[in-house]
Amino acid sequence: QQQVKQSPQSLIVQKGGISIINCAYENTAFDYFPWYQQFPGKGPALLIAIRPDVSEKKEGRFTISFNKSAKQFSLHIMDSQPGDSATYFCAASIGTASKLTFGTGTRLQVTL
Amino acid sequence: DAGVIQSPRHEVTEMGQEVTLRCKPISGHDYLFWYRQTMMRGLELLIYFNNNVPIDDSGMPEDRFSAKMPNASFSTLKIQPSEPRDSAVYFCASSGTGFHYGYTFGSGTRLTVV
Repeated sequence: QQQVKQSPQSLIVQKGGISIINCAYENTAFDYFPWYQQFPGKGPALLIAIRPDVSEKKEGRFTISFNKSAKQFSLHIMDSQPGDSATYFCAASIGTASKLTFGTGTRLQVTL
Repeated sequence: DAGVIQSPRHEVTEMGQEVTLRCKPISGHDYLFWYRQTMMRGLELLIYFNNNVPIDDSGMPEDRFSAKMPNASFSTLKIQPSEPRDSAVYFCASSGTGFHYGYTFGSGTRLTVV
């Protein structure tokens, strides 16, 4: 019940395209859903986060869409750039400072 | 702010040896987390502390692993004795309380046990 399932495992998008990564969770007690971006040799870095009281949050080219009834949330990267090539992790927790359960990660490659 | 500082960045050790990983969290953060990352298992939470007190150590794989946080600015993760299957990248992260904090991860320690 603590799992967060993430798909796809890898994604190739052309420059300027839209990258979409999906996650699903089971535990309805989760109330904090962040996305992390990780470059090779670095630790994951917080990208954007959402609480379940809103259905969408946008920060620049990054948007989280949240569907509470379906227990799903997704990350959309608009106008994808080669610099966005990284591994993206969704996560969920109960509260903002408790343990995060991470998805398995999506390796994104943005081609020229 | 220098962020979360981990040392060493890389560690190569022989099976059976003791390994100690170190972490300095961001000043003012009252939560500290130790994660392990492998290709097979992804990011796994090992243990986390709140105000220097261990809250959940259910992810610690076995008694060979131990973690301490003697004060707000320092934590260690120790493996004794180490085994080849412990080879992974170990991340420390810290967080304050509140929506806008999120975790701040260190750069990790890449451990190789031969």
